[in-house]
Amino acid sequence: EDQVTQSPEALRLQEGESSSLNCSYTVSGLRGLFWYRQDPGKGPEFLFTLYSAGEEKEKERLKATLTKKESFLHITAPKPEDSATYLCAVQAPNSGGGADGLTFGKGTHLIIQP
Amino acid sequence: KAGVTQTPRYLIKTRGQQVTLSCSPISGHRSVSWYQQTPGQGLQFLFEYFSETQRNKGNFPGRFSGRQFSNSRSEMNVSTLELGDSALYLCASSLATLGNTIYFGEGSWLTVV
Repeated sequence: EDQVTQSPEALRLQEGESSSLNCSYTVSGLRGLFWYRQDPGKGPEFLFTLYSAGEEKEKERLKATLTKKESFLHITAPKPEDSATYLCAVQAPNSGGGADGLTFGKGTHLIIQP
Repeated sequence: KAGVTQTPRYLIKTRGQQVTLSCSPISGHRSVSWYQQTPGQGLQFLFEYFSETQRNKGNFPGRFSGRQFSNSRSEMNVSTLELGDSALYLCASSLATLGNTIYFGEGSWLTVV
């Protein structure tokens, strides 16, 4: 059973069309929930870390939120350069990555059309 | 500030051979972790090192091993390569304190033929 599930797998939006990506998790003892952006052929680029339910963080057109079961990455008025794969990961003692590694979801492949 | 550096970026190996990949963490970072990324399985945790000690290990066979040196640089080794080991191998580093950010390198692309 996957401990981190991201949806949708792929999403195509028009430029300016806001939307949200979902990351649900089933681990307990969450130490942190991480969001990364990954461009083709490159390593993941850090976006946010969230630590407790109710926490929110923003960066430019992106806003991440966290509840006890899931996290959302909201994208407001996206631009073509926001096209990438967005990865969610958890850090928790009973997860595949243990207390110090990360357990990743499969990602959401986002395409923003001009 | 230099990021996480991985070498080599690309390599091709033959089945049965072994390979060693290198990672230099961000200056001051003492935790280094390794991940395998494939199209089918996504990003999977291999192992994590802190102060030259392996603290966590993922669900990979013993052919995958690693080590960390006193300067926090790390290497991972894969012995008796199989075709299924073809992947992007990513290294990440962090300060390893609560609230830390985990930064990734650009990865090493391994193709096994």
